[in-house]
Amino acid sequence: ELKVEQNPLFLSMQEGKNYTIYCNYSTTSDRLYWYRQDPGKSLESLFVLLSNGAVKQEGRLMASLDTKARLSTLHITAAVHDLSATYFCAVDTGNQFYFGTGTSLTVIP
Amino acid sequence: NAGVTQTPKFQVLKTGQSMTLQCAQDMNHEYMSWYRQDPGMGLRLIHYSVGAGITDQGEVPNGYNVSRSTTEDFPLRLLSAAPSQTSVYFCASSYHRGGDYGYTFGSGTRLTVV
Repeated sequence: ELKVEQNPLFLSMQEGKNYTIYCNYSTTSDRLYWYRQDPGKSLESLFVLLSNGAVKQEGRLMASLDTKARLSTLHITAAVHDLSATYFCAVDTGNQFYFGTGTSLTVIP
Repeated sequence: NAGVTQTPKFQVLKTGQSMTLQCAQDMNHEYMSWYRQDPGMGLRLIHYSVGAGITDQGEVPNGYNVSRSTTEDFPLRLLSAAPSQTSVYFCASSYHRGGDYGYTFGSGTRLTVV
C-alpha cells in the first residue's frame, strides 16, 4: 500500500521566519501536487510538479520534487499570517491519487 | 463559471438511511472522483470515473455506489448510512486523471450519521 507521509504534522512559526514541509512517498511517481486548505473550506491547488527536479515558486512558497528520493518539499520564506492553513501533498501513481495527512501551519505574529 | 458544485453542504442522517450526494461540473472534465476527509487521515479516494459510463473503486469504496451517466454529473450514493461514514466529502474533477493542472475541488459536504 502506498504511503504518503508529511512532516511535520503541526507547525507553529513566527512571522518572518523560514521553514520547510516535507512530503515522502513510498512508490515510484513523477507527479506530485500541493494543495492548501483553509479551515472549513475546500482545497485549492498550489503547485503541480510533473518531473524530477521540478521547482515551482509562487510568492513566499516554493515547491520542489526529487523523484529518486521520493521526496517533495514546500519551502516557506518569511512567513506571514495569511499563510496559516493546512497544506497537503498528493501523489499520482497512475491509478490513483494519494494524499498525505496534511501539515497544519500556524503563523504567529 | 461555477466549477465543481456539491449539494447539500450539510446533512444529518440516521443510521440505516440512504442518500445521494450530488456533484456537478461545468468544465467538460473527463475525470471525476469522490474523496472523504477524516481528521488525521488526509483525503481518501472512494470512487472515480474516467468518463461517462466508466467508474472504478478507490481506496475506501465499501458502503458507497456511484454512476456516471453524463460528463457533468457524478453522484455518490450511501446505501445504508453508518456512523463510520460521518465525514466531509469532496468531489474533484480534472481534464484527465491528475494531469497537468491537478484537480478542481468542490466546496464539500459535511455528513453526520447518528
